[in-house]
Amino acid sequence: DVKVTQSSRYLVKRTGEKVFLECVQDMDHENMFWYRQDPGLGLRLIYFSYDVKMKEKGDIPEGYSVSREKKERFSLILESASTNQTSMYLCATVELGVAQHFGDGTRLSIL
Amino acid sequence: RKEVEQDPGPFNVPEGATVAFNCTYSNSASQSFFWYRQDCRKEPKLLMSVYSSGNEDGRFTAQLNRASQYISLLIRDSKLSDSATYLCVVEHPGAGSYQLTFGKGTKLSVIP
Repeated sequence: DVKVTQSSRYLVKRTGEKVFLECVQDMDHENMFWYRQDPGLGLRLIYFSYDVKMKEKGDIPEGYSVSREKKERFSLILESASTNQTSMYLCATVELGVAQHFGDGTRLSIL
Repeated sequence: RKEVEQDPGPFNVPEGATVAFNCTYSNSASQSFFWYRQDCRKEPKLLMSVYSSGNEDGRFTAQLNRASQYISLLIRDSKLSDSATYLCVVEHPGAGSYQLTFGKGTKLSVIP
């Protein structure tokens, strides 16, 4: 069974802090994704990566960056956190190019 | 432009009822289609893929109409445990990979 692990379930940070959200998968999948989910807006793609050191912008990359130094780990970085980045963040990986498997999510609050 | 549209609901139905969700998509190059289920405060989980010929999994039936760019999910004999948000998801070609676009979800509440 595919396992996607996000480092924190709940996180509280302050405006202006640099925030790291970590995601690790155990199935050697090439494709990994970061989404945020907000009420009434659904899931929106921030960034994705289809290989080590490769990254592509999704629909809402502003204010975020990512890092993929190893195949199993995909990190989302908030360079200078702002209150409008308070959200649920979901990491996902792909099985056989068909379905996505999601981590449990990180509920991030920026004060 | 990538868009997936769903009726947000909520759909409040009694146990045993049949309920149908509809979804439309705008990108005619879309290739694969899915329904995900998301419980409150949980991550989305794949419910079923949607095939051109239509497919059934127990009480759940999914259908695709490529000409109309329309996808549906039918749930028969609703159970309390079916209460969740159902997300319509469409795959389309993207740079170096494929991308999924998620609908905003349709909330279902099954009432005793």
